[in-house]
Amino acid sequence: GENVEQHPSTLSVQEGDSAVIKCTYSDSASNYFPWYKQELGKGPQLIIDIRSNVGEKKDQRIAVTLNKTAKHFSLHITETQPEDSAVYFCAAPRGTSYDKVIFGPGTSLSVIP
Amino acid sequence: KAGVTQTPRYLIKTRGQQVTLSCSPISGHRSVSWYQQTPGQGLQFLFEYFSETQRNKGNFPGRFSGRQFSNSRSEMNVSTLELGDSALYLCASSPGQVNYEQYFGPGTRLTVT
Repeated sequence: GENVEQHPSTLSVQEGDSAVIKCTYSDSASNYFPWYKQELGKGPQLIIDIRSNVGEKKDQRIAVTLNKTAKHFSLHITETQPEDSAVYFCAAPRGTSYDKVIFGPGTSLSVIP
Repeated sequence: KAGVTQTPRYLIKTRGQQVTLSCSPISGHRSVSWYQQTPGQGLQFLFEYFSETQRNKGNFPGRFSGRQFSNSRSEMNVSTLELGDSALYLCASSPGQVNYEQYFGPGTRLTVT
C-alpha cells in the first residue's frame, strides 16, 4: 500500500545553519511532492513542491530535491532563522491520483537563536 | 483571495453526540479534502470531494461522512462520537483536476468528553 516515511522526527539546529529533512515514498507512479510547514495553532502551509519531471527546485532559502530512482525527496533550508521553527510535513499522492494525498509523520524543527 | 475558512474553530462534545463541521474553500477551487490530525496518528486522509462527488475515502468508519454543495462548500459529520475522535480536523481546498496544490484552513479543534 501507499506509504511515506520521513526522517528525522525531530531536528534541532543553530540559527544560520542548514536543515535537511528526507522523505521516501513507496508508489513509483507518484509524480508530485509537496512540503508543508505547520506552526502552532495553524493549518499546514504549502511552502514548496516539485513535480517528477525535475530534480531540484529552489525558492530563496528553501530547496527540494527529488530522486525518482531511489524514491526519495528532501527539503533543504539554508541560513535557518528562529521563525523557521515548526513542524514540516512531506506528502505524495497515491500514484498519479489527485484525490488522495499521503502525508509523512512530520519533522519538528527547532532553530536555536 | 480569501483563504480556506473553517467553522467552528473549537468544539466540545460529549460521547455519543454528533457533530457537523463546515469548510469554505478558496474561491474558484472545486476540490475539498478533509483530514484528521492527532499527535499519535499524524495527518490522516478522510475523504475528498470534487464537484459535489466523493472521489476517494480514507480508512475511517462509516460514522464519518461528508458532502459538498454546489458552491463547493463542504461539511463533514461525525455521528456517535467517541473519545478517540478528539482531534484537529483540517480542510484543504485545491483547484481540482489538474492541480495538486492543497491549501489548508486553520482547522476545527474537536474535543470529545
